[in-house]
Amino acid sequence: EAGVVQSPRYKIIEKKQPVAFWCNPISGHNTLYWYLQNLGQGPELLIRYENEEAVDDSQLPKDRFSAERLKGVDSTLKIQPAELGDSAVYLCASSPDTMGTGELFFGEGSRLTVL
Amino acid sequence: AQSVTQLGSHVSVSEGALVLLRCNYSSSVPPYLFWYVQYPNQGLQLLLKYTSAATLVKGINGFEAEFKKSETSFHLTKPSAHMSDAAEYFCAVTRGSNFGNEKLTFGTGTRLTIIP
Repeated sequence: EAGVVQSPRYKIIEKKQPVAFWCNPISGHNTLYWYLQNLGQGPELLIRYENEEAVDDSQLPKDRFSAERLKGVDSTLKIQPAELGDSAVYLCASSPDTMGTGELFFGEGSRLTVL
Repeated sequence: AQSVTQLGSHVSVSEGALVLLRCNYSSSVPPYLFWYVQYPNQGLQLLLKYTSAATLVKGINGFEAEFKKSETSFHLTKPSAHMSDAAEYFCAVTRGSNFGNEKLTFGTGTRLTIIP
């Protein structure tokens, strides 16, 4: 069974440029998460989807960040414009059910460097 | 709200020695607790989880953890460290049972170094 797939793995951009990250969750997983991981820190939730609905986006900086999950499968996270402080790893995760087993399956992450 | 505190951002042990990584949690309801491992330039991989069944939980690669409600702890142990155990370890918590697939709240991580 394929795992969570993210692309690109690495992205280097100049500040004020836009950037987008893509995530394909494990087949059949209805819940999808985007986490932000700063260097030396644990992951922090940005947004959680149940199917195509964003059910928790309270930590998403909506002035520059946006996300979508069309058709309840793949998801895209966008930053426009990027700032120096956005340099981090963006992790996508999915989970198989809505009844709270709690286990998340993570992709390898997209490492963003903003110059 | 739920939170976890990992004591010690860096831990070094000799190969073959006991590994002990500490995690204390705070939760207003019975929690589910997890340990994840992250190797360099990779995503997080589940080591083990506690979901209100047995308090001693065994995971992959010889790791285990014990849920102690009285101490609000969920420390990770392995009897004999191997060089391949060098990685970053994260403790995480979520509300369990009827609260659905809410977010996992992670600790700040413990970097484990194995000394040959």
